[in-house]
Amino acid sequence: NAGVTQTPKFQVLKTGQSMTLQCAQDMNHNSMYWYRQDPGMGLRLIYYSASEGTTDKGEVPNGYNVSRLNKREFSLRLESAAPSQTSVYFCASSEIAYNEQFFGPGTRLTVL
Amino acid sequence: QQQVKQSPQSLIVQKGGISIINCAYENTAFDYFPWYQQFPGKGPALLIAIRPDVSEKKEGRFTISFNKSAKQFSLHIMDSQPGDSATYFCAASSAGGTSYGKLTFGQGTILTVHP
Repeated sequence: NAGVTQTPKFQVLKTGQSMTLQCAQDMNHNSMYWYRQDPGMGLRLIYYSASEGTTDKGEVPNGYNVSRLNKREFSLRLESAAPSQTSVYFCASSEIAYNEQFFGPGTRLTVL
Repeated sequence: QQQVKQSPQSLIVQKGGISIINCAYENTAFDYFPWYQQFPGKGPALLIAIRPDVSEKKEGRFTISFNKSAKQFSLHIMDSQPGDSATYFCAASSAGGTSYGKLTFGQGTILTVHP
């Protein structure tokens, strides 16, 4: 039982490049989330998916898109990376919204 | 707009001492208040959580105190140990409205417990 897995662990991009961060959970959870963590700012919600087939914007959605591919997988895409998107990205899942969230190990992204 | 404000930013405590971290919130619709613990290089993990029908919840050495009228809640770590050294985040969400199921996090507190 791996919980929440994220790939890649580290990534360096040049400004303007695109990439997709992958997230998968094996706990049969309905809700999934993407956060970014920056020093002194805590974790901020980018997008979330309350259930399969639905997605909604969080606090800081600009510059990102998401896909809830199926119940297990929730991906985050940066279409044109900017230095302001340098951050650590965490995926999380919960059985239903409003329940305990389980976090993945994170992806450290640097945009040059 | 930061709806959950956490203090202090960093805290140094001696082994055996009490660590206290405070959070204040603005949205009166919040009704679920978890604390997460994060070790370096890891994702956050739920430590303890409280709902506002009680004013205090205790799990081992960890206690949440909740003051609904003041819109404040705090984490107390008794008999602090070096293994408690981590970053702690408070958070809040609500069962309805635009904040349903969405956690709003505080800025985090880096706790260091000296042996």
